[in-house]
Amino acid sequence: DIQMTQSPSSLSASVGDRVTITCRASESIRSYLNWYQQRPGKAPKLLIYAASNLESGVPSRFSGSGSGTEFTLTISSLQPDDFATYYCQQGYSSPRPFGQGTTLYIK
Amino acid sequence: QEQLLESGGGLVKPGGSLRLSCSTSGFTFTNYFMTWVRLTPGKGLEWLSSISSSGNNKYFADSVKGRFSISRDNAHNSVFLQMNSLRAEDTAVYFCARDRHVRACCTPGGASFYFYYIDVWGSGTTVTVSS
Repeated sequence: DIQMTQSPSSLSASVGDRVTITCRASESIRSYLNWYQQRPGKAPKLLIYAASNLESGVPSRFSGSGSGTEFTLTISSLQPDDFATYYCQQGYSSPRPFGQGTTLYIK
Repeated sequence: QEQLLESGGGLVKPGGSLRLSCSTSGFTFTNYFMTWVRLTPGKGLEWLSSISSSGNNKYFADSVKGRFSISRDNAHNSVFLQMNSLRAEDTAVYFCARDRHVRACCTPGGASFYFYYIDVWGSGTTVTVSS
């Protein structure tokens, strides 16, 4: 089964910063990697699917890239609403595990 | 507006069983795979199980294989998660989710395949396993 590993597990940043989160797959998943945001007490929210496709309604400060085994999520200018936990998930084959998550904290 | 509403969570003793239900509205249920995901403070999001639109194909995480089963009722736009032999580590918030499956090309053998992403989530139901 494919395993997903995110780094870092937590990150401290300020409003306006540019941040990048990395997700690695244990084997190639081509470009079939999805990113979700999860705020405490809320359901997760799809941000990006298939590595680089922005879900409708998601701000353009979010972007994704990568293929094969290495992927990144970038937030170009952090806003107060962005302090949350971010998860990657492979969408290539079942089972479809998530990464362990990256929590973004306010510096 | 697509809506997913989970029910059936609660407190159960170790070794017990629970059946979660998810009623849906606002979209053509039979066009979509459906998935269950849980959230625990220690492990984050965990994909548990998916079921194809017809109900003929089912997929499970190793952590729940043999203990959990998934089913759907296409006449009533609902999906279910039967959880048996529950353990303390199954304590979590359980989310029902809609799965988009998109045809893509191609495997090394030239066949088309599907990739998946979850685009709609329920609000979750809490399951606590404790004596």
